[in-house]
Amino acid sequence: KAGVTQTPRYLIKTRGQQVTLSCSPISGHRSVSWYQQTPGQGLQFLFEYFSETQRNKGNFPGRFSGRQFSNSRSEMNVSTLELGDSALYLCASSRGTSDTQYFGPGTRLTVL
Amino acid sequence: AQSVTQLDSHVSVSEGTPVLLRCNYSSSYSPSLFWYVQHPNKGLQLLLKYTSAATLVKGINGFEAEFKKSETSFHLTKPSAHMSDAAEYFCVVSDNDYKLSFGAGTTVTVRA
Repeated sequence: KAGVTQTPRYLIKTRGQQVTLSCSPISGHRSVSWYQQTPGQGLQFLFEYFSETQRNKGNFPGRFSGRQFSNSRSEMNVSTLELGDSALYLCASSRGTSDTQYFGPGTRLTVL
Repeated sequence: AQSVTQLDSHVSVSEGTPVLLRCNYSSSYSPSLFWYVQHPNKGLQLLLKYTSAATLVKGINGFEAEFKKSETSFHLTKPSAHMSDAAEYFCVVSDNDYKLSFGAGTTVTVRA
Protein backbone atom coordinates (compact mmCIF):
# COMPACT_ATOMS: atom_id res chain seq x y z
CA LYS A 1 0.00 0.00 0.00
CA ALA A 2 1.45 3.38 -0.93
CA GLY A 3 2.33 5.71 1.92
CA VAL A 4 1.46 9.34 2.44
CA THR A 5 2.73 11.50 -0.40
CA GLN A 6 3.42 15.21 -0.29
CA THR A 7 4.08 17.58 -3.15
CA PRO A 8 6.19 19.43 -3.81
CA ARG A 9 9.10 18.19 -1.72
CA TYR A 10 10.93 21.51 -1.84
CA LEU A 11 9.76 25.08 -2.35
CA ILE A 12 11.46 28.45 -2.36
CA LYS A 13 9.30 31.55 -2.05
CA THR A 14 9.82 35.19 -1.19
CA ARG A 15 8.21 37.20 1.57
CA GLY A 16 4.66 38.28 0.84
CA GLN A 17 3.94 35.47 -1.58
CA GLN A 18 1.51 32.66 -0.90
CA VAL A 19 2.04 28.93 -1.19
CA THR A 20 -0.09 25.79 -1.47
CA LEU A 21 1.12 22.39 -0.31
CA SER A 22 -0.56 19.11 -1.17
CA CYS A 23 -0.97 15.84 0.71
CA SER A 24 -2.36 12.53 -0.52
CA PRO A 25 -3.21 10.19 2.35
CA ILE A 26 -2.89 6.43 2.48
CA SER A 27 -5.74 4.78 0.63
CA GLY A 28 -8.71 4.34 2.97
CA HIS A 29 -7.57 7.01 5.42
CA ARG A 30 -10.07 9.79 5.98
CA SER A 31 -8.22 11.96 8.48
CA VAL A 32 -5.36 14.26 7.50
CA SER A 33 -3.32 16.35 9.94
CA TRP A 34 -0.69 18.97 9.22
CA TYR A 35 2.36 19.86 11.32
CA GLN A 36 5.09 22.47 11.12
CA GLN A 37 8.63 21.50 12.11
CA THR A 38 11.27 24.16 12.83
CA PRO A 39 14.57 23.97 14.74
CA GLY A 40 13.37 26.53 17.26
CA GLN A 41 9.79 25.43 17.92
CA GLY A 42 10.01 21.73 17.11
CA LEU A 43 6.92 19.96 15.81
CA GLN A 44 3.68 21.87 16.15
CA PHE A 45 0.16 20.88 15.20
CA LEU A 46 -1.48 23.05 12.55
CA PHE A 47 -4.87 21.48 11.86
CA GLU A 48 -6.74 18.27 11.19
CA TYR A 49 -9.36 17.47 8.59
CA PHE A 50 -11.79 14.59 8.62
CA SER A 51 -14.39 14.01 5.92
CA GLU A 52 -13.77 17.46 4.42
CA THR A 53 -14.32 19.25 7.76
CA GLN A 54 -11.71 20.93 9.91
CA ARG A 55 -11.95 19.11 13.20
CA ASN A 56 -9.08 20.66 15.13
CA LYS A 57 -6.85 23.68 14.81
CA GLY A 58 -3.57 24.60 16.48
CA ASN A 59 -2.33 28.04 17.54
CA PHE A 60 -1.35 29.49 14.19
CA PRO A 61 -2.46 32.76 12.61
CA GLY A 62 -5.22 32.91 10.04
CA ARG A 63 -2.63 33.09 7.26
CA PHE A 64 -2.46 29.32 7.59
CA SER A 65 -5.47 27.55 6.17
CA GLY A 66 -6.35 24.21 4.71
CA ARG A 67 -8.99 22.13 3.11
CA GLN A 68 -9.81 18.53 2.33
CA PHE A 69 -11.40 17.14 -0.76
CA SER A 70 -13.94 14.34 -1.15
CA ASN A 71 -11.14 11.89 -2.02
CA SER A 72 -9.46 12.78 1.32
CA ARG A 73 -6.58 14.61 -0.35
CA SER A 74 -5.71 17.77 1.53
CA GLU A 75 -4.06 21.07 0.78
CA MET A 76 -2.70 23.70 3.09
CA ASN A 77 -2.20 27.31 2.11
CA VAL A 78 -0.01 29.96 3.67
CA SER A 79 -0.65 33.53 2.55
CA THR A 80 1.59 36.57 2.95
CA LEU A 81 4.65 34.48 3.69
CA GLU A 82 7.07 35.59 6.41
CA LEU A 83 10.68 34.53 6.93
CA GLY A 84 9.59 32.62 10.02
CA ASP A 85 7.36 30.37 7.92
CA SER A 86 10.46 28.58 6.64
CA ALA A 87 10.00 25.04 7.91
CA LEU A 88 9.38 21.42 7.09
CA TYR A 89 5.64 20.90 6.74
CA LEU A 90 4.54 17.37 7.51
CA CYS A 91 1.26 15.75 6.66
CA ALA A 92 -0.04 12.68 8.46
CA SER A 93 -3.00 10.49 7.67
CA SER A 94 -5.01 8.07 9.75
CA ARG A 95 -8.00 5.86 9.20
CA GLY A 96 -10.06 7.85 11.68
CA THR A 97 -9.36 10.67 14.09
CA SER A 98 -8.47 8.32 16.96
CA ASP A 99 -6.22 6.05 14.92
CA THR A 100 -2.44 6.02 14.56
CA GLN A 101 -1.06 8.72 12.29
CA TYR A 102 1.33 7.90 9.48
CA PHE A 103 3.55 10.68 8.18
CA GLY A 104 4.63 11.73 4.74
CA PRO A 105 8.17 12.84 3.85
CA GLY A 106 7.32 16.52 4.21
CA THR A 107 7.60 19.66 2.12
CA ARG A 108 10.62 21.84 2.86
CA LEU A 109 9.56 25.50 2.45
CA THR A 110 12.19 28.20 2.36
CA VAL A 111 11.08 31.83 2.48
CA LEU A 112 13.63 34.40 1.29
CA ALA B 1 -3.32 19.73 29.10
CA GLN B 2 -0.77 17.13 28.15
CA SER B 3 2.94 17.60 27.56
CA VAL B 4 6.04 15.55 26.92
CA THR B 5 9.59 16.05 28.16
CA GLN B 6 12.47 14.20 26.57
CA LEU B 7 15.21 14.27 29.14
CA ASP B 8 18.18 14.07 26.76
CA SER B 9 18.62 16.22 23.69
CA HIS B 10 21.49 14.04 22.47
CA VAL B 11 22.58 10.46 23.16
CA SER B 12 25.76 8.90 21.84
CA VAL B 13 26.32 5.13 21.97
CA SER B 14 28.74 2.62 20.51
CA GLU B 15 27.46 0.13 17.97
CA GLY B 16 26.31 -3.05 19.72
CA THR B 17 25.63 -1.36 23.08
CA PRO B 18 22.20 -0.62 24.59
CA VAL B 19 20.26 2.52 23.83
CA LEU B 20 18.03 4.30 26.37
CA LEU B 21 15.94 7.33 25.45
CA ARG B 22 14.03 8.89 28.33
CA CYS B 23 10.59 10.43 28.14
CA ASN B 24 8.29 11.80 30.83
CA TYR B 25 4.76 12.89 30.15
CA SER B 26 2.03 14.77 31.92
CA SER B 27 -1.60 14.12 31.19
CA SER B 28 -4.86 14.55 33.06
CA TYR B 29 -6.21 11.22 31.83
CA SER B 30 -4.99 7.89 30.53
CA PRO B 31 -2.90 8.88 27.52
CA SER B 32 -1.89 7.26 24.28
CA LEU B 33 1.86 7.45 23.87
CA PHE B 34 4.05 6.97 20.83
CA TRP B 35 7.65 6.93 19.75
CA TYR B 36 8.46 8.13 16.24
CA VAL B 37 11.84 8.21 14.50
CA GLN B 38 12.98 10.71 11.88
CA HIS B 39 15.98 10.02 9.69
CA PRO B 40 17.69 12.98 8.00
CA ASN B 41 15.50 14.63 5.38
CA LYS B 42 12.74 12.11 5.92
CA GLY B 43 9.29 12.13 7.51
CA LEU B 44 8.43 10.48 10.81
CA GLN B 45 8.15 6.72 11.11
CA LEU B 46 6.14 5.08 13.88
CA LEU B 47 8.28 2.88 16.11
CA LEU B 48 5.65 1.82 18.63
CA LYS B 49 2.58 2.95 20.51
CA TYR B 50 0.98 2.43 23.91
CA THR B 51 -2.79 2.50 24.31
CA SER B 52 -3.50 1.10 27.80
CA ALA B 53 -2.96 -2.55 27.00
CA ALA B 54 0.34 -4.20 27.99
CA THR B 55 2.74 -1.82 29.73
CA LEU B 56 5.72 -3.21 27.81
CA VAL B 57 5.33 -2.36 24.18
CA LYS B 58 7.39 -3.92 21.43
CA GLY B 59 8.03 -1.98 18.27
CA ILE B 60 9.89 -2.29 15.02
CA ASN B 61 13.63 -2.76 14.57
CA GLY B 62 14.12 -4.24 18.06
CA PHE B 63 12.88 -1.20 20.00
CA GLU B 64 10.60 -1.46 23.00
CA ALA B 65 9.18 0.94 25.56
CA GLU B 66 7.78 0.54 29.04
CA PHE B 67 4.86 2.58 30.31
CA LYS B 68 5.18 3.38 34.03
CA LYS B 69 2.17 5.27 35.30
CA SER B 70 3.63 5.83 38.78
CA GLU B 71 6.66 7.54 37.25
CA THR B 72 4.76 9.09 34.30
CA SER B 73 7.49 7.74 32.06
CA PHE B 74 7.64 6.02 28.68
CA HIS B 75 11.31 5.28 28.07
CA LEU B 76 12.49 3.72 24.81
CA THR B 77 15.18 1.04 24.77
CA LYS B 78 17.04 -1.19 22.35
CA PRO B 79 19.46 -3.89 23.53
CA SER B 80 22.02 -3.42 20.77
CA ALA B 81 22.43 -0.27 18.69
CA HIS B 82 23.04 -0.44 14.96
CA MET B 83 24.55 2.25 12.77
CA SER B 84 21.19 2.62 11.04
CA ASP B 85 19.64 3.72 14.36
CA ALA B 86 21.32 7.11 14.07
CA ALA B 87 18.36 9.49 13.80
CA GLU B 88 16.14 11.81 15.81
CA TYR B 89 13.55 10.24 18.09
CA PHE B 90 10.34 11.86 19.26
CA CYS B 91 8.17 10.90 22.20
CA VAL B 92 4.56 11.88 21.54
CA VAL B 93 1.38 12.04 23.60
CA SER B 94 -2.14 12.15 22.22
CA ASP B 95 -4.75 14.20 24.03
CA ASN B 96 -8.39 13.27 24.47
CA ASP B 97 -9.14 15.05 21.21
CA TYR B 98 -6.43 13.00 19.48
CA LYS B 99 -4.11 15.94 18.82
CA LEU B 100 -0.46 14.94 19.04
CA SER B 101 2.00 16.82 21.26
CA PHE B 102 5.65 16.17 20.52
CA GLY B 103 8.69 16.20 22.72
CA ALA B 104 11.69 18.27 21.64
CA GLY B 105 13.42 15.21 20.24
CA THR B 106 16.55 13.19 21.08
CA THR B 107 19.31 12.91 18.51
CA VAL B 108 21.02 9.53 18.59
CA THR B 109 24.58 9.15 17.35
CA VAL B 110 26.04 5.65 16.92
CA ARG B 111 29.81 5.29 17.02
CA ALA B 112 31.48 2.49 15.07
